[in-house]
Amino acid sequence: GENVEQHPSTLSVQEGDSAVIKCTYSDSASNYFPWYKQELGKRPQLIIDIRSNVGEKKDQRIAVTLNKTAKHFSLHITETQPEDSAVYFCAATLTGGGNKLTFGTGTQLKVEL
Amino acid sequence: NAGVTQTPKFRILKIGQSMTLQCTQDMNHNYMYWYRQDPGMGLKLIYYSVGAGITDKGEVPNGYNVSRSTTEDFPLRLELAAPSQTSVYFCASSARTGGNEKLFFGSGTQLSVL
Repeated sequence: GENVEQHPSTLSVQEGDSAVIKCTYSDSASNYFPWYKQELGKRPQLIIDIRSNVGEKKDQRIAVTLNKTAKHFSLHITETQPEDSAVYFCAATLTGGGNKLTFGTGTQLKVEL
Repeated sequence: NAGVTQTPKFRILKIGQSMTLQCTQDMNHNYMYWYRQDPGMGLKLIYYSVGAGITDKGEVPNGYNVSRSTTEDFPLRLELAAPSQTSVYFCASSARTGGNEKLFFGSGTQLSVL
């Protein structure tokens, strides 16, 4: 089955700096790659997603890049703010039977003042 | 719209007890999912459903059962609870029409099996 690896597991940055979280996936047929943000004690929420026919997508301070050849994708957050502090999960589709998402193990991002 | 509603929010079970986690959505979504979240392990898919009357296993189905008698409801049943089932459980739904695959999550159920 699909395997998604996510790094780093924890990331600490100063307010205003950029943060990058990377994920690799195993199934070359995967075609959908979302990112979810989970604040402490809250439910995960979709923040951005990308499909395999696109190399990069931006939404204000966040962007996602996809390298299909290398089978990895990354989340970029610029000008980080304290409210960006959360756990971020990448995910990829599992091909066959319902396109079930496989999630990475999460990155705890801490934005320090 | 309430979105995805899960009950209860917290529960403590004794080993061997059974319980049902309730999940309902009011967005008329065809797809519904149950995930469990363990510390440092991400979200693991337990069961999913692509529509009323249709369910299928995910990555970690052992010890659980589901049913989908209506579009709105997708309860998760734990039989003979074990300490390994201590986790946070999230129900989710998605429309999956027109390429819209965004998952809407419920607020979660914190379950402890002692």
